[in-house]
Amino acid sequence: AQKITQTQPGMFVQEKEAVTLDCTYDTSDQSYGLFWYKQPSSGEMIFLIYQGSYDEQNATEGRYSLNFQKARKSANLVISASQLGDSAMYFCAMRGSKTSYDKVIFGPGTSLSVIP
Amino acid sequence: GAGVSQSPSNKVTEKGKDVELRCDPISGHTALYWYRQSLGQGLEFLIYFQGNSAPDKSGLPSDRFSAERTGGSVSTLTIQRTQQEDSAVYLCASSHTSGIAKNIQYFGAGTRLSVL
Repeated sequence: AQKITQTQPGMFVQEKEAVTLDCTYDTSDQSYGLFWYKQPSSGEMIFLIYQGSYDEQNATEGRYSLNFQKARKSANLVISASQLGDSAMYFCAMRGSKTSYDKVIFGPGTSLSVIP
Repeated sequence: GAGVSQSPSNKVTEKGKDVELRCDPISGHTALYWYRQSLGQGLEFLIYFQGNSAPDKSGLPSDRFSAERTGGSVSTLTIQRTQQEDSAVYLCASSHTSGIAKNIQYFGAGTRLSVL
């Protein structure tokens, strides 16, 4: 069965510093996708970044980068130059492609607080 | 509108009553997902639609939960004989179903259901 683990329930980071949010996953699929979403206190889910299992390069989107280590089954999110607006819940998610329809599962989330 | 629209935004109901939650996806998105998020928790997958068909209903918690989608657009999630443990935020998301774009789910603001 597919599973996402986020071992850091809460994290603090100083404004302008970089922070890494951990994510490990378990799947038997050969082809899969990994995602990170941000959920501010307002509740909306915001897509941040995507990494395909066959992508050779780590994904980057502005200040967000995904540190993908396939052998270790980890997909950590790195946020550079943290801003106060980065304070939110962050969810790691995965989709497999074993069947013709794709189900996305989410991890339990990490709460990030950016300190001025 | 341009985004995923969910209604109502809040619903308070009495235990034992039926409720209907509505999701209007982004125009042209053939994939539609329902998730449930309990307070302080991650997202729990409920059901996925590809067009009007639901190839994956594995996440529905019980037979009190059902969902349909008509015209490849609006979807309704129905909870019969609501229980207090059904209290949660119900989130809907939509996406394309091919290419890189299928990996980006756009979420609605959710329906906060409270069962008294």
